[in-house]
Amino acid sequence: NAGVTQTPKFQVLKTGQSMTLQCAQDMNHNSMYWYRQDPGMGLRLIYYSASEGTTDKGEVPNGYNVSRLNKREFSLRLESAAPSQTSVYFCASSEGGGRRDGYTFGSGTRLTVV
Amino acid sequence: SQQGEEDPQALSIQEGENATMNCSYKTSINNLQWYRQNSGRGLVHLILIRSNEREKHSGRLRVTLDTSKKSSSLLITASRAADTASYFCATDTGGGNKLTFGTGTQLKVEL
Repeated sequence: NAGVTQTPKFQVLKTGQSMTLQCAQDMNHNSMYWYRQDPGMGLRLIYYSASEGTTDKGEVPNGYNVSRLNKREFSLRLESAAPSQTSVYFCASSEGGGRRDGYTFGSGTRLTVV
Repeated sequence: SQQGEEDPQALSIQEGENATMNCSYKTSINNLQWYRQNSGRGLVHLILIRSNEREKHSGRLRVTLDTSKKSSSLLITASRAADTASYFCATDTGGGNKLTFGTGTQLKVEL
């Protein structure tokens, strides 16, 4: 049981380049989330998908787009990377909004934009 | 602004001692959750306490919730070096299927 799998684990981009972060879960969860973690800021929600076919903005959506490809997969795209997007990105999934068993997190993608 | 704020930001204790960390939040909640993050890893769910509960236990973990003060505490008893990690509280305010995380407490347990 792999849980939540994120790829890649590390990435370096030049300013203006684009990339897609991939996330897949095998727990048949309805909801999926993308967070970014910066030093001293905790985790901030970028986008989430409460169920297949829906996506909503979180606290810090600017500069990002998402796609809920199917129930298993939720990708995060940076169209034109900026140094301010240097961060560690976490994908998570949950059943019922995490109100019984909480969220399951992936191991993260460490992104550096130079 | 952050919904949850943990206190202290950092805590260093000796193995065998108890560790207490606190979380304060701003708006009413459905539930509050605690997560652990080991260095360089993803977060792991530890325990969930609902707004109508005052105390909950799981192994060496004890969580309390005081909704009148909008605060929660996490107690780790008889700490071990393996408990060294960052601990985050997260609140479910009922506004959609999402959690808001605090800034975390870094716990170091020394041998």
